[in-house]
Amino acid sequence: DIQMTQSPASLSASLGETVTIECRASEDIYNGLAWYQQKPGKSPQLLIYNANSLHTGVPSRFSGSGSGTQYSLKINSLQSEDVASYFCQQYYNYPDTFGAGTKLELK
Amino acid sequence: EVKLLESGGGLVQPGGSMRLSCAASGFTFTDFYMYWIRQPAGKAPEWLGFIRNKANGYTTEYNPSVKGRFTISRDNTQNMLYLQMNTLRAEDTATYYCARRIYGGYVMDAWGQGASVTVSS
Repeated sequence: DIQMTQSPASLSASLGETVTIECRASEDIYNGLAWYQQKPGKSPQLLIYNANSLHTGVPSRFSGSGSGTQYSLKINSLQSEDVASYFCQQYYNYPDTFGAGTKLELK
Repeated sequence: EVKLLESGGGLVQPGGSMRLSCAASGFTFTDFYMYWIRQPAGKAPEWLGFIRNKANGYTTEYNPSVKGRFTISRDNTQNMLYLQMNTLRAEDTATYYCARRIYGGYVMDAWGQGASVTVSS
């Protein structure tokens, strides 16, 4: 299985700040990477797919980048509603695998 | 509006069986691949497997971690997705989600609210 190493595990940031979350794959996943947001008690919601494509309805302050084994999610101008956990997912090879998650809190 | 609603969770003894259901609405069910994903409390999601759409013959793929114990099926006349789980273990305790694969892609664009399964004596 492809291992996804996500960092940091937790993050505290202020409103308006820019934050970056990273995922490293154990092998090249050729941009087969998605990012999900999960608020407490809710199901995950798709943010980004194909490493850098914004899902319909997702605010443009979210962006994804990367290639090969290294990928990142950036949130510009952090809003209070962005407090959540974020997971990366690789879907280049079965079984799809997820990162351990990043819990984002407000400072 | 796309809706996915899981049911059938609860407490089951180790070694027991349970079937989860997922009622789909708001889209043409037969056009979409459907997934099951689980998430232990406070941990990352785990992809369990999926069942393909009508165009791809409703065939299935499974995570090796559950292959042989879990079975995914669908009733396209009722717009229902199922997960049959056998020989359950304590480590199967999790929230189980059904999800829809985005049309033409490989990621899940709609998720249910989840069904809680606890395996304990």
